[in-house]
Amino acid sequence: DAKTTQPPSMDCAEGRAANLPCNHSTISGNEYVYWYRQIHSQGPQYIIHGLKNNETNEMASLIITEDRKSSTLILPHATLRDTAVYYCIVKTDKLIFGTGTRLQVFP
Amino acid sequence: ETGVTQTPRHLVMGMTNKKSLKCEQHLGHNAMYWYKQSAKKPLELMFVYNFKEQTENNSVPSRFSPECPNSSHLFLHLHTLQPEDSALYLCASSQEGATNEKLFFGSGTQLSVL
Repeated sequence: DAKTTQPPSMDCAEGRAANLPCNHSTISGNEYVYWYRQIHSQGPQYIIHGLKNNETNEMASLIITEDRKSSTLILPHATLRDTAVYYCIVKTDKLIFGTGTRLQVFP
Repeated sequence: ETGVTQTPRHLVMGMTNKKSLKCEQHLGHNAMYWYKQSAKKPLELMFVYNFKEQTENNSVPSRFSPECPNSSHLFLHLHTLQPEDSALYLCASSQEGATNEKLFFGSGTQLSVL
């Protein structure tokens, strides 16, 4: 079973920041939080991951709360091409995907 | 381009056919995976291979038969499938044991069983 909880869907206006929340209250101390996204009919694409510290790369930022029980993926300037299902995953020995959040970016 | 190539992209087969899905990775990874994604369901991990050895089989029916001849190639042999096996089949690879292990996915094979 997935160890994360995400809202099933969200909307975001193009050019605005998209903030996708994830709860992982049962996370263990050495488990990483990974984010992937899946654009329709394609394979999932890695976005970012982190353990304790906030992380940023060319795609997104990951904010992890101090108690590590939740995190937020931030797409700073969403575009129409960011419309996808976003998966938050707590990695144990393998990646188990949940149902994710369907992000719709509108013009 | 993710470095993981799957063929064919689409496949339609009857229940009595035998077909194979192919996956090739050009990333030098040591682990390869098959996932199944049925309509409106989460991805399900089917098989894991590490250094050509199968390390995981998630109670997959025997009508699905994986083969990993080397670390770069992975096959999924299909025979006597059922209509409920229609799904998107995704292959992935990773460098297992790496500190920042990430999965790289192919584009998948959309399978329809008639």
